Formats: sequence, C-alpha cells, structure tokens
Amino acid sequence: EAQVTQNPRYLITVTGKKLTVTCSQNMNHEYMSWYRQDPGLGLRQIYYSMNVEVTDKGDVPEGYKVSRKEKRNFPLILESPSPNQTSLYFCASSQAGAGDEQFFGPGTRLTVL
Amino acid sequence: QKEVEQNSGPLSVPEGAIASLNCTYSDRGSQSFFWYRQYSGKSPELIMFIYSNGDKEDGRFTAQLNKASQYVSLLIRDSQPSDSATYLCAVRYGNKLVFGAGTILRVKS
Repeated sequence: EAQVTQNPRYLITVTGKKLTVTCSQNMNHEYMSWYRQDPGLGLRQIYYSMNVEVTDKGDVPEGYKVSRKEKRNFPLILESPSPNQTSLYFCASSQAGAGDEQFFGPGTRLTVL
Repeated sequence: QKEVEQNSGPLSVPEGAIASLNCTYSDRGSQSFFWYRQYSGKSPELIMFIYSNGDKEDGRFTAQLNKASQYVSLLIRDSQPSDSATYLCAVRYGNKLVFGAGTILRVKS
C-alpha cells in the first residue's frame, strides 16, 4: 500500500529534551516536507526537500532541523524543544514538488511541557 | 511573507444546497492552486487543483480561479453531510506550498 508513515503518533516530552520524529514514504517521491498545524493558523511549512541531500527552509523553520540522506526518509529533529513547539505535525510527499498532489502522513501530536 | 486567507467559518448549509468556499492570496506570481479536505482527526487529502483562470469541474466540485482579483473558490453542489469537514486552500509559490487556515463546512441533514 502506498503510504507516508510517521512515528511516533503521540509524544509528550519536556523542555530541552532532544527528539526526532521519523517520516518515511514508499512511493519513490522526490519531494518531501514537514508542516505544523495549529488552531487558527492552518498548516505552516517547516522544511522541505527536493531530493536527497537537498533541503530548504519553509515559513517556520526556527527550532527545527531536517536531513534527507535517503530518498524515502525525512526525519524532523527538535534539538531543544520548547512549549511553543507543541503542535500537530504532518509529513507529506509528492512526486514532482510543491505543484503536485501532496500525500500526507497520519500526523504526530507533540506536547512539550 | 506569502499569505493565503480564508474565512474560518463555520459555514453551515442544508443538505442538497450549494456550498461556496473562498480563498484570497497575496502574490500575483502564484502558480498553482489547490483545495484539500481534512476530516476531524485525519490528514488533509487533495480534492481539486487549478492552474488557469476560469472554472474546473470534477463531479460535484467546481474550482474557480481569478488571477486578476487574486481569489480562488470551491463550489460544492448537492452538499451531503459527508462533505462536513475543514477545507484548506493552498497556493504554490516556487518550491513552497502555503496553506490558508481553512474553512469549516457543516452540512445539516
């Protein structure tokens, strides 16, 4: 089954404790991205990747890091999480970039205490 | 900062009516426009895309684009309770995709 997977689905952590949210797609897609979704603000793009070893900032990159060492994986790293990073996070992928249909993962609900 | 604006709603329509959802965007250089639907607790899924001025129809859905006025709209004909969801407008700017905050649609049976 073609899909985007994210782990963990739910995470409660404390301020300053480094964490990684994994994202993997099995569709051989070139483009991958991370979004956060907050009430009243909609989906905001954090980082995106056009291909392996090619990443760039979205609109809200502060406090986040990403890497794209393999085509299928695009982990999101929070090196020192803060309470304002409490949010619902979605990973997405597409075959041909931002102008193509985005396939979203199931989401990760992160709470930073 | 590229902006995409939507009325948050909720927009309530009776079953069988036409639901009209609107979106405006800030940059005339925008290239592609999308409507995603998100059910409560679920991930967004694409329902329509439009690139050129005018109307594009797909079943009960019609997307309308007016680049001169910088707005894009989504019409849902014969609305069903299963159409109740949040509708997200998205605009492509180069390699980025910018979403609006979404409009909540409620279809009452």
